[in-house]
Amino acid sequence: DADVTQTPRNRITKTGKRIMLECSQTKGHDRMYWYRQDPGLGLRLIYYSFDVKDINKGEISDGYSVSRQAQAKFSLSLESAIPNQTALYFCATSDPGQAFSNTDTQYFGPGTRLTVL
Amino acid sequence: GQSLEQPSEVTAVEGAIVQINCTYQTSGFYGLSWYQQHDGGAPTFLSYNALDGLEETGRFSSFLSRSDSYGYLLLQELQMKDSASYFCAVSKAAGNKLTFGGGTRVLVKP
Repeated sequence: DADVTQTPRNRITKTGKRIMLECSQTKGHDRMYWYRQDPGLGLRLIYYSFDVKDINKGEISDGYSVSRQAQAKFSLSLESAIPNQTALYFCATSDPGQAFSNTDTQYFGPGTRLTVL
Repeated sequence: GQSLEQPSEVTAVEGAIVQINCTYQTSGFYGLSWYQQHDGGAPTFLSYNALDGLEETGRFSSFLSRSDSYGYLLLQELQMKDSASYFCAVSKAAGNKLTFGGGTRVLVKP
């Protein structure tokens, strides 16, 4: 079974609709992240959470919100989707224990392909 | 702000060696990571450097020069399965928040 799962894997929606993307992990990691990837571009950080009570904005948080329901679950919401939010969305996790060991390994889910018409 | 520069595309033949350079400008620096992403797949961790020098992991090696704000990923004995996009990413002092470069698409030809 995959350690980091994302649902749905694909979603087509219309402008103005509210969309929620979900991420679950069985790795027991405290830190979770949401990224967006546009064709030919790198990953850009939307939001991140270092524990259940910690939520931080990334570089492109406008138009998005998140919820950390539990250590294992981190959801991304688009309150009113717009076409330029069409992208591939990745959830990732990391282990703070690795930070103390000087490694920054993040483990990514399979991604959600979102199309906003 | 932070910015990372890496070439957009590299083409090489099987068995060759490819070096992907990454230069970065950041307001703080903790370490440089490399990730591989196959088409349609998720990024996967390859290598990490926090100190100057070379880190070797099988056919892949990564190098960092903090004074030059520069690093590279070296892919040796290229195989067809190495065709993928490669991203460098920097972390600042606090935690594991990463900033990614735009990625280098490596195409391996027979």
